[in-house]
Amino acid sequence: DAGITQSPRHKVTETGTPVTLRCHQTENHRYMYWYRQDPGHGLRLIHYSYGVKDTDKGEVSDGYSVSRSKTEDFLLTLESATSSQTSVYFCAIRDTGSGQPQHFGDGTRLSIL
Amino acid sequence: DQQVKQNSPSLSVQEGRISILNCDYTNSMFDYFLWYKKYPAEGPTFLISISSIKDKNEDGRFTVFLNKSAKHLSLHIVPSQPGDSAVYFCAASGSARQLTFGSGTQLTVLP
Repeated sequence: DAGITQSPRHKVTETGTPVTLRCHQTENHRYMYWYRQDPGHGLRLIHYSYGVKDTDKGEVSDGYSVSRSKTEDFLLTLESATSSQTSVYFCAIRDTGSGQPQHFGDGTRLSIL
Repeated sequence: DQQVKQNSPSLSVQEGRISILNCDYTNSMFDYFLWYKKYPAEGPTFLISISSIKDKNEDGRFTVFLNKSAKHLSLHIVPSQPGDSAVYFCAASGSARQLTFGSGTQLTVLP
C-alpha cells in the first residue's frame, strides 16, 4: 500500500464552519492531489501541488484552498463550508517520471449539515 | 461536458467469463490512460495503464485495449472472479499528467 494517510476519515460539521482535511505521505513523492467524488461524477480534481509551496487549481477549486508547507503534508481547507461540499474527498500522490500512476488514500467522508 | 465517459453504470458477469468495461474520451490531447478499481470505503487502486503509442497492454488477467481513432478504450478481465466485484474507473491524462476520470462502472461477478 502507498504510504498515504488521510485525516479525519469521517467528519460532520455545520454550514459556515471552517474545515481542514489533511493528507500525509511517507513516500517523498513530489506531486499531491485533492479530489472529490460525487455520484455520477467520478473523481474531480480540486487542487494539486507540484512541490513545497507550489500549488495550482483543478476543475472544481471554488470554495477550496490548499497549502503545502512540507513535502509530506497537503492540506485542503474549506473556509466556510456549504452543503454542496458534502462529498468524499480523496488525496493522491504521484512520483516523478513518465508513466507513473497516481496512488490514492482511503478518503475522508465529509458531511455538512 | 464530460471528456471521459463510461456509459454503462453497471455490468454483471458470471464467474469464469470475460468482463469487458468500456470507456470513451473526447480530448485528442490525452496520451495516457489508466484503469482504477475501487471497493467501498477504500480509495481507488491503480490497476493497469496504457500509453497512446500502444494499442494493448496486458497484466495477468487484465488487458487494456486502446483504439485512438475511435477514442475508445476497454478493460478485459479474464477469467472474472467474485473478488473482482468493484467499481471500475477509467482515467485519462495529457502532458500535465492531471487525471480526468469517468463516472465509473459497477462490476458484479456472480458465483
